[in-house]
Amino acid sequence: DAGVTQSPTHLIKTRGQHVTLRCSPISGHKSVSWYQQVLGQGPQFIFQYYEKEERGRGNFPDRFSARQFPNYSSELNVNALLLGDSALYLCASSLPGLAVTGELFFGEGSRLTVL
Amino acid sequence: DAKTTQPNSMESNEEEPVHLPCNHSTISGTDYIHWYRQLPSQGPEYVIHGLTSNVNNRMASLAIAEDRKSSTLILHRATLRDAAVYYCILREARFGNEKLTFGTGTRLTIIP
Repeated sequence: DAGVTQSPTHLIKTRGQHVTLRCSPISGHKSVSWYQQVLGQGPQFIFQYYEKEERGRGNFPDRFSARQFPNYSSELNVNALLLGDSALYLCASSLPGLAVTGELFFGEGSRLTVL
Repeated sequence: DAKTTQPNSMESNEEEPVHLPCNHSTISGTDYIHWYRQLPSQGPEYVIHGLTSNVNNRMASLAIAEDRKSSTLILHRATLRDAAVYYCILREARFGNEKLTFGTGTRLTIIP
């Protein structure tokens, strides 16, 4: 079975531009969450979506938004890019109902560079 | 969120056991202790989790102190493939909670 897949794997943008990152969860997983990992730090929680509804939001500005589609795939959008948005963006999926017993399965991430 | 404290780095010889410590003195009664690791150029990978009792799985063992204020991840026989950053995370026992609060973790180096 395929794991969590993310696209694109790498991309370069300039300040002020907009970016859309995509994530396909493992088949059967209905929950998707997004994390930002700046170089040298641990991942930071951005959003969680379950059944197309936002279930959690981290401490990120409104320039960051996301959505989940009927097939449970997800998009993360970032507007008005800043240099500080350069990071590895990770998507994770999990089975529903496994709040504490279940593991999150992470993709390999989309590396965004903002120039 | 309750915080965890881990050493920044550790080294171990190949084929020897590794004990990775984690302090979480402000843990609440509903927090589970999770460990993830991140290999170079990959996303984090689940290792193990527990609440109060020691836990074992095919990857590792988790020893939890009786007062739950600290825990230790044990890799019984380290291999070069275990070189990674290991994160100790407290996860609130709430339905649908997928928020993991990562710290900076412990960078484990395995010496051949």
